[in-house]
Amino acid sequence: DTGVSQDPRHKITKRGQNVTFRCDPISEHNRLYWYRQTLGQGPEFLTYFQNEAQLEKSRLLSDRFSAERPKGSFSTLEIQRTEQGDSAMYLCASSLGDSAISDTGELFFGEGSRLTVL
Amino acid sequence: RKEVEQDPGPFNVPEGATVAFNCTYSNSASQSFFWYRQDCRKEPKLLMSVYSSGNEDGRFTAQLNRASQYISLLIRDSKLSDSATYLCVVNNDRGSTLGRLYFGRGTQLTVWP
Repeated sequence: DTGVSQDPRHKITKRGQNVTFRCDPISEHNRLYWYRQTLGQGPEFLTYFQNEAQLEKSRLLSDRFSAERPKGSFSTLEIQRTEQGDSAMYLCASSLGDSAISDTGELFFGEGSRLTVL
Repeated sequence: RKEVEQDPGPFNVPEGATVAFNCTYSNSASQSFFWYRQDCRKEPKLLMSVYSSGNEDGRFTAQLNRASQYISLLIRDSKLSDSATYLCVVNNDRGSTLGRLYFGRGTQLTVWP
């Protein structure tokens, strides 16, 4: 399967614990995005990377959230001291992101990591 | 004010019906526009891009009105398999690559036999 993969698919944790999600994008894609989605809402932007550089962060990304993409390939999203309001589906997506190549403008999403904070 | 506003529905239509979804966006400088489809408990997937001149893909027609900051999606001859949530999506970045995409909350469609 050469799509975007995310791990774990489901995570249940107690309030105050730290959690980490991993995303492996499509291999030739330079851009990697993190979104969060709650029931009945569309995905909300958290952050995105161009290769290993983090280009933009949403105000939603409080200081308890940190994302990395150390080698420009996979990415991790860590949430420290989780709160019940962090319960959501965390979606990772990737795109070509290379202006030298025709980009259809399509984001390819993974199946998401569902977080439940008790 | 949200970047993208959509009527959440739900829309319940019989097979064969024509249904239209609308959304509005707040940033007049928005550059590119899309409709994504999301099936229940699945990830969003691109349905179609929306071009200024309007575009059609089979039973689906997308329209953009920049003056009114309004985007529409028309589905003709609805099929049971069209049941899903349709997300209106806007990109504000210039150039051919995507930066932050703004998603509407989605419009839920159910097509019944």
